[in-house]
Amino acid sequence: AQKITQTQPGMFVQEKEAVTLDCTYDTSDQSYGLFWYKQPSSGEMIFLIYQGSYDEQNATEGRYSLNFQKARKSANLVISASQLGDSAMYFCAMREFGATNKLIFGTGTLLAVQP
Amino acid sequence: GAVVSQHPSRVICKSGTSVKIECRSLDFQATTMFWYRQFPKQSLMLMATSNEGSKATYEQGVEKDKFLINHASLTLSTLTVTSAHPEDSSFYICSASLLGNTIYFGEGSWLTVV
Repeated sequence: AQKITQTQPGMFVQEKEAVTLDCTYDTSDQSYGLFWYKQPSSGEMIFLIYQGSYDEQNATEGRYSLNFQKARKSANLVISASQLGDSAMYFCAMREFGATNKLIFGTGTLLAVQP
Repeated sequence: GAVVSQHPSRVICKSGTSVKIECRSLDFQATTMFWYRQFPKQSLMLMATSNEGSKATYEQGVEKDKFLINHASLTLSTLTVTSAHPEDSSFYICSASLLGNTIYFGEGSWLTVV
């Protein structure tokens, strides 16, 4: 069964430092995609970064990078040089590209950036 | 600008009435749309996957007669909460998919049932 796990309900980080948000997943599909979204208090879902299961290199998007370890089924998000505006909920999500085609989310991590 | 428009952003309705939420993909044709429900401080729970021209696939535990999903065209999907009750008050958000890793979210709709 498709499953996403985020074990950190909340995280603190000092401004300008890097932070890693954990995400592990479980799937029997060979073809899948992993996503990270940011959700501020307004509720909108902001796409951050994507990693395909066949991508050999870790994805990077500006200050965001995804530490993809396929054998361990982990897809941790690394935010470098944290900014106060990074304070938000962060969700890891997975989409299986096989029969189900569903996009499901983890429980989220609330990140607080401290000045 | 937004590529997926969701309307209304906020709605208050009386208990026992029905309310419809629209999700439109702008400038592209979405083959698949997802509907989620999110309670405060919780994750997005997938309610159903909506494919154009076919019936929606509901997740286990989601009442299909209560949450009617229609995906009549490649640019529009609607969620109708029928006979709404206060426990249906929640944040509902849709997303539209073009290709495998291209997924856009609407702005979400806050539903309050009084």
